[in-house]
Amino acid sequence: AQKITQTQPGMFVQEKEAVTLDCTYDTSDQSYGLFWYKQPSSGEMIFLIYQGSYDEQNATEGRYSLNFQKARKSANLVISASQLGDSAMYFCAMREGPTWMDSSYKLIFGSGTRLLVRP
Amino acid sequence: NAGVTQTPKFQVLKTGQSMTLQCAQDMNHEYMSWYRQDPGMGLRLIHYSVGAGITDQGEVPNGYNVSRSTTEDFPLRLLSAAPSQTSVYFCASSYSGVEYNEQFFGPGTRLTVL
Repeated sequence: AQKITQTQPGMFVQEKEAVTLDCTYDTSDQSYGLFWYKQPSSGEMIFLIYQGSYDEQNATEGRYSLNFQKARKSANLVISASQLGDSAMYFCAMREGPTWMDSSYKLIFGSGTRLLVRP
Repeated sequence: NAGVTQTPKFQVLKTGQSMTLQCAQDMNHEYMSWYRQDPGMGLRLIHYSVGAGITDQGEVPNGYNVSRSTTEDFPLRLLSAAPSQTSVYFCASSYSGVEYNEQFFGPGTRLTVL
């Protein structure tokens, strides 16, 4: 079974509108973390936001917020007020296990969503 | 700080050749890892290290070797290159022992095996 599922291979959004990128995950660990990375056409991986499994509040970083629904095992990324520079691939990733375990630093990635922002 | 650096940026090999992809970080991170990214897919973990002298396998380790003799460097060796190893390779590093262990990625090495 897929550990991280991103069901939207590609999405369009109008500039200045909000967009939600979906991510569902599968784990039996109680302690885990969820990450979102952005990969522009230049290829580098840019960290956007992190949500820990024990965090009660949804994470926010500027125009990025993470809609964390633990019972549904979903961690959707919301980008508000989209900009042309937001056009990129977006990857959801998960680490599993408590941080005292060496293996907890292994990241499992989804297949990504390509976002295109229209002017 | 230079962050995570990778060399070379591009490489073309013939089947059967060997080579080493270099990775270095200057942030004193304990944890380092190698991922590969194939077209249309997310990153997959090849090998990782939690400190000097300690390495372990990830999801797709076959055909690759690693060693970690210093905190700063984590080279990836392709023993006998195959066309299936054509990919973009990313090195990453992070602190260990913290909940919020953001992984910092290098710029990637694009490898083509003919």
